[in-house]
Amino acid sequence: DQQVKQNSPSLSVQEGRISILNCDYTNSMFDYFLWYKKYPAEGPTFLISISSIKDKNEDGRFTVFLNKSAKHLSLHIVPSQPGDSAVYFCAAGGSGTYKYIFGTGTRLKVLA
Amino acid sequence: NAGVTQTPKFQVLKTGQSMTLQCAQDMNHNSMYWYRQDPGMGLRLIYYSASEGTTDKGEVPNGYNVSRLNKREFSLRLESAAPSQTSVYFCASTREDRRIYNEQFFGPGTRLTVL
Repeated sequence: DQQVKQNSPSLSVQEGRISILNCDYTNSMFDYFLWYKKYPAEGPTFLISISSIKDKNEDGRFTVFLNKSAKHLSLHIVPSQPGDSAVYFCAAGGSGTYKYIFGTGTRLKVLA
Repeated sequence: NAGVTQTPKFQVLKTGQSMTLQCAQDMNHNSMYWYRQDPGMGLRLIYYSASEGTTDKGEVPNGYNVSRLNKREFSLRLESAAPSQTSVYFCASTREDRRIYNEQFFGPGTRLTVL
């Protein structure tokens, strides 16, 4: 039973356009969500997070939106750059938890 | 700061062999984690240690043991390796002084092949 789902294994976007990566979760106890970026042969690196008291969090070109009623979050990258080409994982957990559940990842390819 | 370091980077084992994956962090983090990444499966938690002296099972603990040697080091042991344990293993750590800010810092990974 997958509690965190990323239903799009891959996504291709033209440079300069918007990339939208989606993530769905099933556990209503999750209240903290993170996005990680992973390049080949490297460990994941933290990108941006959001807690359930917010519905949006921005950091430069990256914005995460949270829709609690739909149990859905999305990561927007604007404008997309070729260096953004990587695998993106969403992760979810409860506040105070020591454990996070990760999605299966979406491979983003930004075309120059 | 080196962050999170893992050794070895690559390892090939035969079925039944044992080995220990080493992980160390220099960020004074309390919590440490071991994950495995398999194609189409994302990152799955094997074991974690919320603080020095404690360890707990994650989603996929069978076939593994861990030791939180001190605050810096968290090792993962395969006592009798099986082909199903072929994977990329990541160690991670996080500070837990503010519970809602739990981004994890990951090591570069160990690519393990069990023949």
